[in-house]
Amino acid sequence: GAVVSQHPSWVICKSGTSVKIECRSLDFQATTMFWYRQFPKQSLMLMATSNEGSKATYEQGVEKDKFLINHASLTLSTLTVTSAHPEDSSFYICSASTASGGGDTQYFGPGTRLTVL
Amino acid sequence: GQQLNQSPQSMFIQEGEDVSMNCTSSSIFNTWLWYKQDPGEGPVLLIALYKAGELTSNGRLTAQFGITRKDSFLNISASIPSDVGIYFCAGQNYGGSQGNLIFGKGTKLSVKP
Repeated sequence: GAVVSQHPSWVICKSGTSVKIECRSLDFQATTMFWYRQFPKQSLMLMATSNEGSKATYEQGVEKDKFLINHASLTLSTLTVTSAHPEDSSFYICSASTASGGGDTQYFGPGTRLTVL
Repeated sequence: GQQLNQSPQSMFIQEGEDVSMNCTSSSIFNTWLWYKQDPGEGPVLLIALYKAGELTSNGRLTAQFGITRKDSFLNISASIPSDVGIYFCAGQNYGGSQGNLIFGKGTKLSVKP
């Protein structure tokens, strides 16, 4: 149980375009979903937290207008990188938790590798 | 904010050897977690610790939650080649944004057959 999927697993796009990444909890309902970013040889950095049906809470330094997060259902959250630039190239990982506020075990997706040319 | 110091940064060991890594924090956590990440994959939860002093095993892995709630260690016994990967510790508290995970910088484990 507690499987989280992401789609796509990798994407290459041109600078200036927008890219949408999906995160799904397959066998449980995720009250809270988290989006992380990981640069090569670095740890995971939390970008934002979203609770189903409400606006996402962004970490300091993360532009909410650039990284649009939608958590429309208890099994799906999406991250849209708008007007992507090469510096947005990174490994994006989502996680899902059954507890409101995230005070419960987080289960991670397999990640999405974004390359912006 | 809270920060975790994870050490060592990397280890290169012989198959069959035991491995030990640890994390320390300047402040307390209610929960300590250990994850393993393979290249190009998301982290996979190995062990979760919920109580100060708790010692928990998962196969060849053993982890302990420090009594002060500011540290944790992970041991791997009799390492095998598939243990290769990056191990992350993470601390977590309860409620609101405090439920967020704080990750260590990772320990990269390489195992020589």
